Amino acid sequence: EVQLVESGGGLVQPGGSLRLSCAASGFAFSNYEMNWVRQAPGKGLEWVSVIYTSGRTTYYADSVKGRFTISRDNTKNSLYLQMNSLRVEDTAVYYCARGLYCTSLSCFGNWFDPWGQGTRVTVSS
Amino acid sequence: SYVLTQPPSVSVAPGQTARIPCGENNIGSKNVHWYRQKPGQAPVLVVYNDSDRPSGIPERFSGAKSGNTATLTISRVEAGDEADYYCQVWDGSSNQAPFGGGTKLTVL
Repeated sequence: EVQLVESGGGLVQPGGSLRLSCAASGFAFSNYEMNWVRQAPGKGLEWVSVIYTSGRTTYYADSVKGRFTISRDNTKNSLYLQMNSLRVEDTAVYYCARGLYCTSLSCFGNWFDPWGQGTRVTVSS
Repeated sequence: SYVLTQPPSVSVAPGQTARIPCGENNIGSKNVHWYRQKPGQAPVLVVYNDSDRPSGIPERFSGAKSGNTATLTISRVEAGDEADYYCQVWDGSSNQAPFGGGTKLTVL
């Protein structure tokens, strides 16, 4: 069964840091791009970041650029999100989601499926 | 930045057809994907690449694109279809993956 399980959320003060993890199982993790998507309370979905299969290429939403760092460990089938200089507006449920599938020849499928159950991050003093 | 526009809400009676639009000027050049999110749950993919359906999603769910608008259509709506629905694309020019603002489907 394909599964993504996030962890690491919690309460942190403004200006603080937090590291989220996402454990993947049931599929060839190293062949997929991986994403973080967040949802503030009562709001819609906001894409946060993507990391390519090798881990060498990453992209970020403008709202988190320079503060968040996405990384992966293909030997551990794990995805991470290091969040620094946290702001009140970063309060959200953070989901990891599987993205594009890549072989040595091509990539396809830039949709998000499946998603983890999410981990809640609250930034408050 | 790329902005996908969805109506905040759509209401439909059981058994009728719900249509949820997602608009943007250059949407014709991109593949559009749709997600359903029920309260307290993670989003679930219901349509990908404009009109393809993942396994396990009923045939009542379909997608199409025309001009500057993509549309998710839910036929023979059931009470269990009540949820928030989001469209999403990959914008290669900015290397970002914007979502629409979401549409709350209410089954009357």
